[in-house]
Amino acid sequence: GDSVTQMEGPVTLSEEAFLTINCTYTATGYPSLFWYVQYPGEGLQLLLKATKADDKGSNKGFEATYRKETTSFHLEKGSVQVSDSAVYFCALSKTGGFKTIFGAGTRLFVKA
Amino acid sequence: NAGVTQTPKFQVLKTGQSMTLQCAQDMNHEYMSWYRQDPGMGLRLIHYSVGAGITDQGEVPNGYNVSRSTTEDFPLRLLSAAPSQTSVYFCASRTSGGASYEQYFGPGTRLTVT
Repeated sequence: GDSVTQMEGPVTLSEEAFLTINCTYTATGYPSLFWYVQYPGEGLQLLLKATKADDKGSNKGFEATYRKETTSFHLEKGSVQVSDSAVYFCALSKTGGFKTIFGAGTRLFVKA
Repeated sequence: NAGVTQTPKFQVLKTGQSMTLQCAQDMNHEYMSWYRQDPGMGLRLIHYSVGAGITDQGEVPNGYNVSRSTTEDFPLRLLSAAPSQTSVYFCASRTSGGASYEQYFGPGTRLTVT
């Protein structure tokens, strides 16, 4: 069945470091791919998305590129801030289906 | 526009008690769903609905009931609480327009069953 695999956390970085969180997926067809972020004590909110191969989603300095050939959607940011500390979820959904499939989440800690 | 609202924010139950977690959205979304979030397990789908009067089971439906009498509301009922249901519960909604549309999440209900 369809699935999403994320790198295990927690990831601990110093402020201004480069961030990569790996995400790979297994799905038939052409799913839409998402990154959601969950700040402490809150619900998930959309960070960025991409709906077809080679699309790049971007928001708040984060970006991810939909790579069909490697079935990947890695999240990157060039310079993280303490305020980026959160849990990040990679997810997919498919045309004609209702369900969104989430990865297990990766917790990011950014130290000042 | 309040988005997705959930009540209560926190709840403590004793084993065997029942309760209803409330969820409402004001975006006229057709799709609504309930997830539970447990450490290291991401989000697991409990039940979902694709419109008023239509509900279906997700991955972990046992011990929970839902109904959808209006587009706006999607309550989750715990029939007889068990310690294994200690978790954080999130309600989400989405338009039916297509797979590229995002889900909108409520702030969550933190439930402890003793």
